[in-house]
Amino acid sequence: AQSVTQLDSQVPVFEEAPVELRCNYSSSVSVYLFWYVQYPNQGLQLLLKYLSGSTLVESINGFEAEFNKSQTSFHLRKPSVHISDTAEYFCAVSLSGGSYIPTFGRGTSLIVHP
Amino acid sequence: DAGVTQSPTHLIKTRGQQVTLRCSPKSGHDTVSWYQQALGQGPQFIFQYYEEEERQRGNFPDRFSGHQFPNYSSELNVNALLLGDSALYLCASSLYDGTGVYGYTFGSGTRLTVV
Repeated sequence: AQSVTQLDSQVPVFEEAPVELRCNYSSSVSVYLFWYVQYPNQGLQLLLKYLSGSTLVESINGFEAEFNKSQTSFHLRKPSVHISDTAEYFCAVSLSGGSYIPTFGRGTSLIVHP
Repeated sequence: DAGVTQSPTHLIKTRGQQVTLRCSPKSGHDTVSWYQQALGQGPQFIFQYYEEEERQRGNFPDRFSGHQFPNYSSELNVNALLLGDSALYLCASSLYDGTGVYGYTFGSGTRLTVV
């Protein structure tokens, strides 16, 4: 079975600073990878996903993540964060064949300070 | 285009009681999955419904059961509630294309508190 480890439970950062949220996965077969964002009292929203092809994927609001198969990682980065990026971020993995049911990590709380 | 709708938004129940949570999927989606998100944790997969049948199930006891209706909406039932069942219950809908499901859309969840 696949699993996800988010190495940081909380990441504080100042506005306009760069940030990296770390995610490592474990699987013996090919996987799809996702990042979801959850704002307070809301459900999860898909931020970006890796299915195949280019290992660098981008979201419309400036986030990017790179699939690194050798290091089994899918870290999320943003070069300059805004106060509005404060939220909980979840990394998820699903098998590339089958039911595609994602397994989520425990989440990383990104806290952007002014 | 309405997204995933869950009801109620909040619920308080007593230990031992039973609860039913409801989910209407996004228009065009035919598959519904349920997740439990305990405070400070990531969502845990409960089960998935397609064509009114349970397709897959996570590591949850039989006290958790579900149903999918012909219009693709779904219910999650939990019997004999325990304090540990207190959590945010998320419904996610998606479309099955014959090989797998894609494009999970999550609802805002139902916050269940068991006292």
